[in-house]
Amino acid sequence: SQQGEEDPQALSIQEGENATMNCSYKTSINNLQWYRQNSGRGLVHLILIRSNEREKHSGRLRVTLDTSKKSSSLLITASRAADTASYFCATHLGSGNTGKLIFGQGTTLQVKP
Amino acid sequence: GAVVSQHPSRVICKSGTSVKIECRSLDFQATTMFWYRQFPKQSLMLMATSNEGSKATYEQGVEKDKFLINHASLTLSTLTVTSAHPEDSSFYICSARPGQGGEKLFFGSGTQLSVL
Repeated sequence: SQQGEEDPQALSIQEGENATMNCSYKTSINNLQWYRQNSGRGLVHLILIRSNEREKHSGRLRVTLDTSKKSSSLLITASRAADTASYFCATHLGSGNTGKLIFGQGTTLQVKP
Repeated sequence: GAVVSQHPSRVICKSGTSVKIECRSLDFQATTMFWYRQFPKQSLMLMATSNEGSKATYEQGVEKDKFLINHASLTLSTLTVTSAHPEDSSFYICSARPGQGGEKLFFGSGTQLSVL
């Protein structure tokens, strides 16, 4: 079964608005990662947040992690049409660094120009 | 950044034939590669872990005789879908883990398999 659940499943916003996606997971983690997938393509790593971190920034991306609630959020500020893609959170299976990433269900983001 | 090349990007084959998909890490060595399967509008499902020089580890429910994995070198893993059937039609994506203990994965661009 999948480790993570994400919401919303789909999100449609206007260019310039902010987009927030949420992810929940089930087991203990060392880190949580966010990936982006353009339609019909592979995934691109966006950002990694460790279990002892609460917030991390990278450009227009802001990720938060709440280990007590086993949840994370990805915020994309000042969205652009080029941000249109699917976004997945991923965690390593189990508490060790096994290398095996398990992905959430994903959020499909559409940014309208 | 690290580049992973996956070929072919698209393949159409007749039922009963076998299809080989290659995954290469172009500028780094990958002792571990992973193969995922993705159905339309769904998430990635981990199929197997490919370890250089040893047998692949398959996830529960994945038929090892159906999906043959070979990781003969530090830069190449192959997935062969044997005797493909229409239900094997899917998007297959490989990923590679650089060096020892890398935390993030680098993905190939995927292979869309259509079995007629």
